[in-house]
Amino acid sequence: DVKVTQSSRYLVKRTGEKVFLECVQDMDHENMFWYRQDPGLGLRLIYFSYDVKMKEKGDIPEGYSVSREKKERFSLILESASTNQTSMYLCASSRDGINSPLHFGNGTRLTVT
Amino acid sequence: AQKITQTQPGMFVQEKEAVTLDCTYDTSDPSYGLFWYKQPSSGEMIFLIYQGSYDQQNATEGRYSLNFQKARKSANLVISASQLGDSAMYFCAMREGSSNTGKLIFGQGTTLQVKP
Repeated sequence: DVKVTQSSRYLVKRTGEKVFLECVQDMDHENMFWYRQDPGLGLRLIYFSYDVKMKEKGDIPEGYSVSREKKERFSLILESASTNQTSMYLCASSRDGINSPLHFGNGTRLTVT
Repeated sequence: AQKITQTQPGMFVQEKEAVTLDCTYDTSDPSYGLFWYKQPSSGEMIFLIYQGSYDQQNATEGRYSLNFQKARKSANLVISASQLGDSAMYFCAMREGSSNTGKLIFGQGTTLQVKP
């Protein structure tokens, strides 16, 4: 089974802090994604990566950056956390192919106070 | 414009009955894939079923089936013989074939509650 592991289940950070969310997958997937989930809005794509050191902006990249130094690891960085970044963050990975599902981690619920 | 629309924020169904969760999509791409995910209260996203735009038959996976009406651009999820464990949020999602990102575009979700 594909395993996508997010380093923290819950995080509480202060406004202005730099925040790192880590994600690791064990199935050698080419593609990795960061989404945020908010009530009534579904899942929105923040950033994705299709190869090591390659990254592309998603629909809501403002206030975020990412890093993919190794194929299995994809990090989401909040340069200066703000209260409107309080959300559930979901990491996912997939193979190439239109019919390849995304495999998700369990999510990180981030609260910025 | 919304690419994926789920118009039912919440649904109730009696245990052992069937339920249909609605999903409409909008794309001009002739090649696309449609996915349904289940998210229980524990938070993990569970892949349920996939339908390709060129598939001739509706997809089925156990108690899940997809009512795919291409001309109407709808991809409704049908859950037969509902169980208490089916209580969860359900998301419809689409991947466009022309997209070079492989990303899935998600709807807003539908919360399903199964009554005993």
